[in-house]
Amino acid sequence: EAGVTQSPTHLIKTRGQQVTLRCSPISGHTSVYWYQQALGLGLQFLLWYDEGEERNRGNFPPRFSGRQFPNYSSELNVNALELEDSALYLCASSPGTGGTGELFFGEGSRLTVL
Amino acid sequence: RKEVEQDPGPFNVPEGATVAFNCTYSNSASQSFFWYRQDCRKEPKLLMSVYSSGNEDGRFTAQLNRASQYISLLIRDSKLSDSATYLCVVRRSYIPTFGRGTSLIVHP
Repeated sequence: EAGVTQSPTHLIKTRGQQVTLRCSPISGHTSVYWYQQALGLGLQFLLWYDEGEERNRGNFPPRFSGRQFPNYSSELNVNALELEDSALYLCASSPGTGGTGELFFGEGSRLTVL
Repeated sequence: RKEVEQDPGPFNVPEGATVAFNCTYSNSASQSFFWYRQDCRKEPKLLMSVYSSGNEDGRFTAQLNRASQYISLLIRDSKLSDSATYLCVVRRSYIPTFGRGTSLIVHP
């Protein structure tokens, strides 16, 4: 069974640009979570999607946004990139609100902002 | 106060040692608890869930103390392959919150 897949794996952008990161959850999983992990820091919760709807968002500015598609894949968009947006962006999926709460992570998208 | 706090370490131990990590959480409404493991520059992976009754998985034992709002992880007979960062995770209203992690280095 395929795990969570994310693309691209690495990317370099300059300040002010926009980026879109993509995530495909495990088949049958309806929930997708996005986390940011800056170097040396813990995972910071960004967004939670379930059944196509945004259910919750973390303490991030509105230039961080996303969506979930009918096939439960998801995109994370970051506008007006800043240097401090450089981080590993991790997507995780779970079976939905009725599951055990375990998250299954993708390998992440490593974003560098110059 | 952070929602989930861990001692970042590093804990530097010899092979075969027993090591324990603690984690505290601030919100008493937290509903479920986990330990994840993260290897360098890799994605986190679930190590084990944590229950009030305590649970064991081989060399790993996890414990939850709801009254004191802390979670522990005990690793017995440490192996070189246990070297990693251990993340304490607290879930509330379907949102898992991660601690910053405790770094473990097991040396020969």
